[in-house]
Amino acid sequence: AQSVTQPDIHITVSEGASLELRCNYSYGATPYLFWYVQSPGQGLQLLLKYFSGDTLVQGIKGFEAEFKRSQSSFNLRKPSVHWSDAAEYFCAAYTGTASKLTFGTGTRLQVTL
Amino acid sequence: SQTIHQWPATLVQPVGSPLSLECTVEGTSNPNLYWYRQAAGRGLQLLFYSVGIGQISSEVPQNLSASRPQDRQFILSSKKLLLSDSGFYLCAWSRQSTGELFFGEGSRLTVL
Repeated sequence: AQSVTQPDIHITVSEGASLELRCNYSYGATPYLFWYVQSPGQGLQLLLKYFSGDTLVQGIKGFEAEFKRSQSSFNLRKPSVHWSDAAEYFCAAYTGTASKLTFGTGTRLQVTL
Repeated sequence: SQTIHQWPATLVQPVGSPLSLECTVEGTSNPNLYWYRQAAGRGLQLLFYSVGIGQISSEVPQNLSASRPQDRQFILSSKKLLLSDSGFYLCAWSRQSTGELFFGEGSRLTVL
């Protein structure tokens, strides 16, 4: 079955430290891939997306993600985390066959000062 | 540019009362439309999606229903709310070609 896995439920990092959030997908073909961020009580905002081409994708707010076909991964990274980055992060995949995204269960990021 | 609006933002309803949450999209035509729910501290659960007027797909059997009376309007309803219907409801739209979702700001429903 098609699925998206975010193995880390909760991550805590210090402000200024680097960040990597993991995402793995299980699909027969390479899907379109997305990362979304959700602040408490708000809707989801798209951080970045991968359709094809360059495997390193730049997004908003200083985030980037790298697509690795061999590992079926699409990990999100940021070199230096800011306190305002504390939020819930969702990875998602789309193949077009079912007209809907498949979301991971999310990773909650806490930033300590 | 495209925008999405959903309302009300906050709703407190007694058990057994009806529900209507509305969502409209502007600046695009024939979007796919979606209703998601988040229970407290939980991930996203897809409730309904629609690829066209009058076409509704239900993902989870439950106490809720959805309708799409116009191309850019999506309504989530219930005839009688349950306590378990409490949660944060998100409407979203997407382009059919890419699946990229654009979310509304959400509606928080508390059933007492």
